[in-house]
Amino acid sequence: NAGVTQTPKFQVLKTGQSMTLQCAQDMNHNSMYWYRQDPGMGLRLIYYSASEGTTDKGEVPNGYNVSRLNKREFSLRLESAAPSQTSVYFCASSERGREKLFFGSGTQLSVL
Amino acid sequence: DAKTTQPPSMDCAEGRAANLPCNHSTISGNEYVYWYRQIHSQGPQYIIHGLKNNETNEMASLIITEDRKSSTLILPHATLRDTAVYYCIVRVDNNDMRFGAGTRLTVKP
Repeated sequence: NAGVTQTPKFQVLKTGQSMTLQCAQDMNHNSMYWYRQDPGMGLRLIYYSASEGTTDKGEVPNGYNVSRLNKREFSLRLESAAPSQTSVYFCASSERGREKLFFGSGTQLSVL
Repeated sequence: DAKTTQPPSMDCAEGRAANLPCNHSTISGNEYVYWYRQIHSQGPQYIIHGLKNNETNEMASLIITEDRKSSTLILPHATLRDTAVYYCIVRVDNNDMRFGAGTRLTVKP
């Protein structure tokens, strides 16, 4: 099993460009999450999806949109990238809201 | 949500037990204590969690005080591969999870 797969691994954008980060899990998990991690900091929750068809804001949702395409996939979109969004983005999944999280390997995003 | 306090860094000799403390004095009755670790720039890895009883698994032991205001993660025989940032998180469920700065554990030969 691959677990949680994120694409791309690295991306450089110019200010104002848009892009979508992809995340897929093969563990039949109900809940999926997007986090960002700035240098030297802990992870902060951007958005989460407790189940297929639902999404909710986390701690830092501004500037992002998400789509829970199906049970496997949860994408994060930056409509107009800003330098403040330079970060490492992690996707995670769990069977249910209280179960342990499984994380992907991250996407390193730089916005110039 | 209950906040946690962890020392910013700790060292441990290889082969010795690593004891990582965490204070969570405002924890409420339905909040669990979770521990994750992050090795280098990888995604965090789940270690263990508990509500009020001590817990043990193949990776570590979790000791929670009787008043639940603090806990200790114990890695019984630390190896160089255990060098990582360790996060203590108190939460009701994943939807309100907060990762702080954690404790950077360095295992030395």
